[in-house]
Amino acid sequence: TQLLEQSPQFLSIQEGENLTVYCNSSSVFSSLQWYRQEPGEGPVLLVTVVTGGEVKKLKRLTFQFGDARKDSSLHITAAQPGDTGLYLCAGAEGGSNYKLTFGKGTLLTVNP
Amino acid sequence: DAMVIQNPRYQVTQFGKPVTLSCSQTLNHNVMYWYQQKSSQAPKLLFHYYDKDFNNEADTPDNFQSRRPNTSFCFLDIRSPGLGDAAMYLCATSRHRAGNQPQHFGDGTRLSIL
Repeated sequence: TQLLEQSPQFLSIQEGENLTVYCNSSSVFSSLQWYRQEPGEGPVLLVTVVTGGEVKKLKRLTFQFGDARKDSSLHITAAQPGDTGLYLCAGAEGGSNYKLTFGKGTLLTVNP
Repeated sequence: DAMVIQNPRYQVTQFGKPVTLSCSQTLNHNVMYWYQQKSSQAPKLLFHYYDKDFNNEADTPDNFQSRRPNTSFCFLDIRSPGLGDAAMYLCATSRHRAGNQPQHFGDGTRLSIL
């Protein structure tokens, strides 16, 4: 069973600060997805990365897939209260194994 | 407009009393998934339908069943809920069954057991 470890588990910062959260595994993934889940709602897809070393930007969010496709990071610049939520990474082994393995998430709180 | 709709948003049932959670989608996606998410834990896949083909996860308890009467609807039946089944239940869809396919989630049903 593939495991995805996310760190930190909890992060509380002030508005305007930068932050990075991590998603690590000892397994190789063919693709990795990042979701944000707000309290009382379902996860919403932010990005999918598929190529080792790939970097994708979504406004103030920068996602990177590790060269070996075992890890990923999410960097947020100038965090805002609206960024508050649970950030989940989910990896797919690929090929005939299409299922997503989710990490436990990083719970981010951005204080005004 | 919501594309994956789960009802009810909150469900309270008694220990051992059967309960059904529902999910509908307007995306016409082939795949529908049911996940269980407990506090501070990762969503755990229970089973999924690829079209009419039902796929159960090996560690999903027999207590959990599912039905997909048509493309749009999928139900989660818990035959005899125990206290350990209290959780958020998430329904998701994807167009195809591939790891790089985005999954579209509903807002979940939070199940409480008395």
